Amino acid sequence: DSGVTQTPKHLITATGQRVTLRCSPRSGDLSVYWYQQSLDQGLQFLIQYYNGEERAKGNILERFSAQQFPDLHSELNLSSLELGDSALYFCASSVASGRTDTQYFGPGTRLTVL
Amino acid sequence: QKEVEQDPGPLSVPEGAIVSLNCTYSNSAFQYFMWYRQYSRKGPELLMYTYSSGNKEDGRFTAQVDKSSKYISLFIRDSQPSDSATYLCAMSDAGGTSYGKLTFGQGTILTVHP
Repeated sequence: DSGVTQTPKHLITATGQRVTLRCSPRSGDLSVYWYQQSLDQGLQFLIQYYNGEERAKGNILERFSAQQFPDLHSELNLSSLELGDSALYFCASSVASGRTDTQYFGPGTRLTVL
Repeated sequence: QKEVEQDPGPLSVPEGAIVSLNCTYSNSAFQYFMWYRQYSRKGPELLMYTYSSGNKEDGRFTAQVDKSSKYISLFIRDSQPSDSATYLCAMSDAGGTSYGKLTFGQGTILTVHP
């Protein structure tokens, strides 16, 4: 158990809908990262937050947004969902914001868009 | 062309075999290299981390980095059925605004049979 929690574990929804994925980092970790894992694209970095501020951005679609709250939990919002958004979404956390920090991954949320 | 290329396998070996997993990369800015292990339906977990060319050993695992060839490897000695998982290489750069962004390979599926 990495100490990172994600809810829900599974989500099934329809095209055009909006969903929110939630992540609680390990105790003491200030950075939260979101990744998307699909069969064709592999594990791809979406976005990083550090202590409430956006720190780095990857290939995140405009339909997706994220935020980190004062209690350091984070939410990833996915809107106008398309079939291609079906994937595993992982949250990771680390102590600080640097590129040498170990990232601890949560168990993931499996999103299925029908 | 992807920044990180990894042979997806699958790789099937008998128990006790030496396993070699490899990644090549094209971005010379990558300076930090990691290997993650991912069991089915779980989040990735960090196995090895290194930032210099050469070998780093941890138990049955050896990580090797050759920056001049842009090539990294993970060797598993005396492989066990419990090593059956997907192995992901990951990299981050040394500067710029990417902070904690990790770029992953596609992952290699390894099965060790008794």
